[in-house]
Amino acid sequence: NAGVMQNPRHLVRRRGQEARLRCSPMKGHSHVYWYRQLPEEGLKFMVYLQKENIIDESGMPKERFSAEFPKEGPSILRIQQVVRGDSAAYFCASSPRALEYEQYFGPGTRLTVT
Amino acid sequence: QQPVQSPQAVILREGEDAVINCSSSKALYSVHWYRQKHGEAPVFLMILLKGGEQKGHEKISASFNEKKQQSSLYLTASQLSYSGTYFCGTEKAAGNKLTFGGGTRVLVKP
Repeated sequence: NAGVMQNPRHLVRRRGQEARLRCSPMKGHSHVYWYRQLPEEGLKFMVYLQKENIIDESGMPKERFSAEFPKEGPSILRIQQVVRGDSAAYFCASSPRALEYEQYFGPGTRLTVT
Repeated sequence: QQPVQSPQAVILREGEDAVINCSSSKALYSVHWYRQKHGEAPVFLMILLKGGEQKGHEKISASFNEKKQQSSLYLTASQLSYSGTYFCGTEKAAGNKLTFGGGTRVLVKP
């Protein structure tokens, strides 16, 4: 049973470009969470999605960031017009049901904006 | 609001014990504990639901005092593999998002 998969593992973008981060949850998991982690800091919640629905996006910046989890395919976190401050590790996690259950984290995507 | 973890860092000799605390100013439904090694993904340790239960995994155990809105993680007879940053994540209600603390760095030396 494959774990949570994220790709790419490392992504370098120039300022102003778009970044697309993909997350495939564990088999049978329909709940996906995205977190951002700055160097030497904790995990900051961004968004919680179920298939085709955004449940909680209270941690998402209002502009440039969007997330989706389509019926088919991986969840995607999209950052438009990246800036240097977007450089961070982005982790996604999945769970079989809503919280009460552990979240399984993927290996993360390390985004560097030059 | 982010839970507060203490201490921020601790250095242990192999075999020593340590306690990590996680406190919230809000009523909690559950507390989740994770360990993260440098450059890796967080790894789930345990969940505690309100009710004051205690859980354990090998020589790592935790308690949850819902009245004090506090959870403690106990590292007993620490091993080198226990080194890493420990995060608590708190949930105010079932199905709500997790809010993580700032982390506690643990270094276990031989």
